[in-house]
Amino acid sequence: AQSVTQLDSQVPVFEEAPVELRCNYSSSVSVYLFWYVQYPNQGLQLLLKYLSGSTLVKGINGFEAEFNKSQTSFHLRKPSVHISDTAEYFCAVSKSNTGNQFYFGTGTSLTVIP
Amino acid sequence: KAGVTQTPRYLIKTRGQQVTLSCSPISGHRSVSWYQQTPGQGLQFLFEYFSETQRNKGNFPGRFSGRQFSNSRSEMNVSTLELGDSALYLCASSTDGVAPKNIQYFGAGTRLSVL
Repeated sequence: AQSVTQLDSQVPVFEEAPVELRCNYSSSVSVYLFWYVQYPNQGLQLLLKYLSGSTLVKGINGFEAEFNKSQTSFHLRKPSVHISDTAEYFCAVSKSNTGNQFYFGTGTSLTVIP
Repeated sequence: KAGVTQTPRYLIKTRGQQVTLSCSPISGHRSVSWYQQTPGQGLQFLFEYFSETQRNKGNFPGRFSGRQFSNSRSEMNVSTLELGDSALYLCASSTDGVAPKNIQYFGAGTRLSVL
């Protein structure tokens, strides 16, 4: 079975400062990794995904994440945040290649302080 | 192209009632997945439908069921509602359903409140 742990439930950060949102997973088989963002009263939007290849993945809105197999982590980073980045961020894993069964973390609420 | 549409956006029901939620995927998408989102449990996978067949199922009781129609629209039904069923129910669609290469697009959700 897979599980996804997002270590920080809330992360406050000042505008233009860097941020890292942490995600660890456990799985006995290879996984695919995702980060989604959810703005208030909206559904989830894909930020980036890791399928294979380069461990550094770049996504939309200036976000990037690094897959670390030995540490089973997939931390999300942004070098300089904006007020508009205030949202809930979810890490997710999937191993299925026959369907869309995703396992999500409990989310990290990012608040950017002006 | 229209996104994933979920109706209704808000629902209020009482314990013991049943409810049906609807999801219209993006045109051309054949896979529809359903998730339950609560503050305590986060996002939990309910089930996935592909070409009118349930392909994956999460760990929810039989009170939660779904179906998919030939036009790929999907409905989710919850019978004998309990207070703990209060949640945001999200639907996601993707093209041929072969994860993970196909991106899942999420609707805005249906917020169900059980009184």
